Parts: sequence; structure tokens; C-alpha cells
Amino acid sequence: DTAVSQTPKYLVTQMGNDKSIKCEQNLGHDTMYWYKQDSKKFLKIMFSYNNKELIINETVPNRFSPKSPDKAHLNLHINSLELGDSAVYFCASSHGQGGTEAFFGQGTRLTVV
Amino acid sequence: KQEVTQIPAALSVPEGENLVLNCSFTDSAIYNLQWFRQDPGKGLTSLLLIQSSQREQTSGRLNASLDKSSGRSTLYIAASQPGDSATYLCALPRGGGSEKLVFGKGTKLTVNP
Repeated sequence: DTAVSQTPKYLVTQMGNDKSIKCEQNLGHDTMYWYKQDSKKFLKIMFSYNNKELIINETVPNRFSPKSPDKAHLNLHINSLELGDSAVYFCASSHGQGGTEAFFGQGTRLTVV
Repeated sequence: KQEVTQIPAALSVPEGENLVLNCSFTDSAIYNLQWFRQDPGKGLTSLLLIQSSQREQTSGRLNASLDKSSGRSTLYIAASQPGDSATYLCALPRGGGSEKLVFGKGTKLTVNP
């Protein structure tokens, strides 16, 4: 009964490949997010979706494309992977209104070789 | 623009000690503040959410306080245990009702048996 689940947990791939990370939440939240944690452990927002609509898109290369088929799912597709994309990617969800608690998935450790 | 600072970056204490982790923020117009715990190779676990109208929030041995006027929050851990060893992160919505969280860089806590 995991609240926010991501797959895969680990992903090792070569430069130039295209890969996807999937995220699902069963909390009934209407807002989902992707965060990136870099090698220095610093967490930064990448995208935010509310009811399947993109509401936040930080300065992220357009090789990263989120897709939300429904409000319980937010997938992240990455094209032409680069070495600098290696990081841990976290999915999160919340009710999306100011003052609500955010819940995070276990993270996907992406290693580009 | 909200900036979040956590001091110290690392803390090592003997088991049983009471300790305080600090979080400071630059924009006091906040909706809430959330404390998370991150274990190595794991996701983020929400510990406490403290609303802007609250002064403190308690969960078990954890107590979080919030002083908006001074831009500070503290996380008090009573009677620390080795199982408390983890990185503790505080996070706040960026501002203006934005749901996206701005994170501090965390305090890495080690509780020695």
C-alpha cells in the first residue's frame, strides 16, 4: 500500500539513450512533482503537474519531458541522456493547495555511463 | 525568492542526548514548513508539517517549532537513538502560494551507540 511509488529504483544506461521513469500515487492527490537530487544531495524542483496540467517547469533541458496520463500518474521521459543527468530523481505528490503535506517516493537512481 | 539554510551540515552525538537541528529561511511569508528524514539510498519521509499559524508541532520524540518573524524553525529530538541517524531536511513552499518546495541542504545526524 505504498503511497508514492516509482519504477525503476535503479537505472544504469549509456549516454545518448532515451529512458523513462514512472511514478504513481494512491493518495488521491491532485498535484504531482519531479525533483532532482544531485551529487551534493541538493534537492531541486523540476516539474509540477496539477490535475494533469503542467503548472511549474523550472529551467530544465527540453530533453526532459513529463507526461501525466491521469492525476495519479506522472512519468518522466529523458531523451539523449548525458553524463550530467546522473542523479536521484524523486517523485512527490500533495493536495496542491498551500499548506498541505508533500509525500515522496523512494527515488530512482539514474547513472549515465 | 525563498532561500533555506540548515546548520550544522553534520552532527554527531552519543545515544540518549537531546539535540536541536536548525533551519532558517529568508522569506517569512510562508504557508508551512515541513521536516523530512532521508536515510542513505532511500526516499524522503515526512516527519512533521507545521502550518504558518502554528508555533510548534509534536510527533513522538520530535518537536518542531516555527518562528516566522525571525525566519527560523528548529527540530528537537529527545533521547536520541542510533535509529535516528539520517539526514534531516527542512523545506518550504517557494512563496506566493506556490506548491513547490525549496529545500535546505540538510543536516546529517549520526547517533553513536
